[in-house]
Amino acid sequence: GAVVSQHPSWVICKSGTSVKIECRSLDFQATTMFWYRQFPKQSLMLMATSNEGSKATYEQGVEKDKFLINHASLTLSTLTVTSAHPEDSSFYICSATGDEQYFGPGTRLTVT
Amino acid sequence: EDQVTQSPEALRLQEGESSSLNCSYTVSGLRGLFWYRQDPGKGPEFLFTLYSAGEEKEKERLKATLTKKESFLHITAPKPEDSATYLCAVSDVAAGGTSYGKLTFGQGTILTVHP
Repeated sequence: GAVVSQHPSWVICKSGTSVKIECRSLDFQATTMFWYRQFPKQSLMLMATSNEGSKATYEQGVEKDKFLINHASLTLSTLTVTSAHPEDSSFYICSATGDEQYFGPGTRLTVT
Repeated sequence: EDQVTQSPEALRLQEGESSSLNCSYTVSGLRGLFWYRQDPGKGPEFLFTLYSAGEEKEKERLKATLTKKESFLHITAPKPEDSATYLCAVSDVAAGGTSYGKLTFGQGTILTVHP
């Protein structure tokens, strides 16, 4: 199967700072990437759809000014959590659509 | 609104004890139904995609089936390494354009296989 990577795998930041998470499709080009958030013992909740060369589409209830998404190339999408707060602590997972939809390994964000 | 409900929430099996996981779904038009496996602290790992009622797919000890309202993931003679959370998701034909491929996930079934 295709490989999707995320960086970093975990990050701890202080409240009020910003954090950038990268999602890369390593062996295929992905016009569309998706960003999900997963809280403990819960399933994946879609945050936004990231399309190369255009603005991201955010799900209802997700603040677009807080979660900035950039899809600069067919292999890279970034999610920036701005002015992070403890309630933003979660497991963030991206996916990329090739012949199937493949997921990255996730990024554990802890805001102190 | 698309809905996906998985049952049971948790399932404990003895090694070799076969069983099935259920995924019931409601969509305006099914583009595809997906099964993923997720280990703790990791991203989901792709298992199967099913597109139409009556379709079946197999991989090692796993077999996925699909009807117009639900899907089953059958696990034959499971081993401890099959322990994981199994996620079901659907893609709706209404999610076209820039949202093509958008998935709605169920809550998952936590499978534990004891030796």
